[in-house]
Amino acid sequence: GEQVEQRPPHLSVREGDSAVITCTYTDPNSYYFFWYKQEPGASLQLLMKVFSSTEINEGQGFTVLLNKKDTRLSLNLTAAHPGDSAAYFCAVSAGVDSNYQLIWGSGTKLIIKP
Amino acid sequence: GGIITQTPKFLIGQEGQKLTLKCQQNFNHDTMYWYRQDSGKGLRLIYYSITENDLQKGDLSEGYDASREKKSSFSLTVTSAQKNEMAVFLCASTTGRHTGQLYFGEGSKLTVL
Repeated sequence: GEQVEQRPPHLSVREGDSAVITCTYTDPNSYYFFWYKQEPGASLQLLMKVFSSTEINEGQGFTVLLNKKDTRLSLNLTAAHPGDSAAYFCAVSAGVDSNYQLIWGSGTKLIIKP
Repeated sequence: GGIITQTPKFLIGQEGQKLTLKCQQNFNHDTMYWYRQDSGKGLRLIYYSITENDLQKGDLSEGYDASREKKSSFSLTVTSAQKNEMAVFLCASTTGRHTGQLYFGEGSKLTVL
């Protein structure tokens, strides 16, 4: 079945710097890709999504890129600010083929230093 | 807006004990999920339910039971708590599985003594 590997598990960057979190997946038929954010003490919330047909999405200071050839999904933060400190999780679905089940990455704890 | 409420937030039990976690949502969502979150691992699906009285097993269902007697509530029972089950259990709901837009509760942390 689908496997998703997320890297790095921990990431610390200075305010204003960029950050990149990457997930690689194994099922080339995967179609739906999601990034969730979990702030300390809070519940997971959907941050961004991208579909296989679109490959890129931007918003809230983030860019999500999908590289289908390398089966790699990335979350790019262009200019970090303290509110970005959180855990980030990718989730991948092959859609109806997998009964819409989401397969999750293991998470990245992002810390923004002043 | 709606909310998902998980109770209790913290649950301490003895090894071998039967323990129940509860989840309520007021989104009027059809589908609800129970996930387990272990440190350093991704979320793993235990059970989900696409409507009242429906139950579907996830990859991690062994050792757990679930119940969906009402659309708004979904409970999870650990049938015999084990020390290696110390984890956070997350409840979520969605209006449509194809959307990938899950709404999560804040989690229930289980500690087994």
